[in-house]
Amino acid sequence: DTAVSQTPKYLVTQMGNDKSIKCEQNLGHNTMYWYKQDSKKFLKIMFSYNNKELIINETVPNRFSPKSPDKAHLNLHINSLELGDSAVYFCASTPGNRANTEAFFGQGTRLTVV
Amino acid sequence: GQQVMQIPQYQHVQEGEDFTTYCNSSTTLSNIQWYKQRPGGHPVFLIQLVKSGEVKKQKRLTFQFGEAKKNSSLHITATQTTDVGTYFCAGPEGAGKSTFGDGTTLTVKP
Repeated sequence: DTAVSQTPKYLVTQMGNDKSIKCEQNLGHNTMYWYKQDSKKFLKIMFSYNNKELIINETVPNRFSPKSPDKAHLNLHINSLELGDSAVYFCASTPGNRANTEAFFGQGTRLTVV
Repeated sequence: GQQVMQIPQYQHVQEGEDFTTYCNSSTTLSNIQWYKQRPGGHPVFLIQLVKSGEVKKQKRLTFQFGEAKKNSSLHITATQTTDVGTYFCAGPEGAGKSTFGDGTTLTVKP
């Protein structure tokens, strides 16, 4: 019974391809996030959705497009993948959209662009 | 915007030694959180501190929130190999957003 689940766990793809990562949470939370963790382990927020509505959109290339079909799902589509997109992408959720409430993270998707 | 600085970036200790990581914010924080990420794993919530000067303990871990609510620390007494990982602090930054420190990666030599 994984609370926040992401698929796939590993993704290896060539430059220029388009790929998607899926995330689902069964906690009944209203807010979901995508974070990017680089090779130095720096954890940076990319997007946040509250009840399917985009509320945080950091300075991320528009090749990245999140989509939330319902409040339990938040997917991330990446167009025209570049080498620099290689990282671990974490999905997370919180009960509400107040700043700094306990976040539950998925297992991560390790994306490698070759 | 708010910055949350965390030091040191890396810490190598012998098993049984103590370990401390420090988190400093450029602005006053309403609260601060700590997370642990095991190697190959995902960040897991440890604790949240809210009050000025607050100290909380979890077994060998002691968390402190500064009087000015601009800094925090995590201290581990007598480290064990199970303590290895990266420890992150996180502070709120406006509209539902948390800013994570850069993390301190702890390695423990048996």
